[in-house]
Amino acid sequence: EVQLVESGGGLVQPGRSLRLSCAVSGFTFGDYAMHWVRQAPGKGLEWVSGINWNSGTIAYGDSVKGRFTISRDNAKNSLYLQMNSLRAEDTALYYCAKDTHYDILTGGSVDVWGEGTTVTVSS
Amino acid sequence: EIVLTQSPGTLSLSPGERATLSCRASQSVSSSYLAWYQQKPGQAPRLLIYLASSRATGIPDRFSGSGSGTDFTLAISRLEPEDFAVYYCLQYGSSPYTFGQGTKLEIK
Repeated sequence: EVQLVESGGGLVQPGRSLRLSCAVSGFTFGDYAMHWVRQAPGKGLEWVSGINWNSGTIAYGDSVKGRFTISRDNAKNSLYLQMNSLRAEDTALYYCAKDTHYDILTGGSVDVWGEGTTVTVSS
Repeated sequence: EIVLTQSPGTLSLSPGERATLSCRASQSVSSSYLAWYQQKPGQAPRLLIYLASSRATGIPDRFSGSGSGTDFTLAISRLEPEDFAVYYCLQYGSSPYTFGQGTKLEIK
């Protein structure tokens, strides 16, 4: 069974940093691109970032570019999101999600999602 | 950035009726790289449709997707009680990926 389990969320002050992790199992992690998607309370879905199988192709949403960094460790079956200079508008449930392809922007959709980890940015 | 606009914002129908949800893009979606998701309260989204018209594994055939270019549609032929949820479209053909704002399908 494919499983994605996010961790690392919590309450953080504006301007501070936080690192999210996603541990995966049930599939060959290194064969697939991965994504982070977030959902602010009571709002819709927002794509945050995507990374291809070997970290050679990375993309970010405009609202996080320059502040967030996505990375992966295929040996540890883990995906990460380093979030710096956090703002109140970054408050959301952050989902880790699997692509159907090895690369992003090549026609693979997002097919499997974790349950999310909550990030709250407040003083 | 491609902006996706979903309509209507809320759709009120009864079980057994047909639902038609629209997703319109601000520019052409590359190779029909468009997906539809269903999200129920407190749950992660579930993939329904990819490549505009291909059903994901395990999705009932009452769900169908169509469209190309800038206009896409999700149709649910006969609504079941479990179909009442929020539906999102996603374009994944150009960076950044973008979601529509969602359509809430509620019981009338």
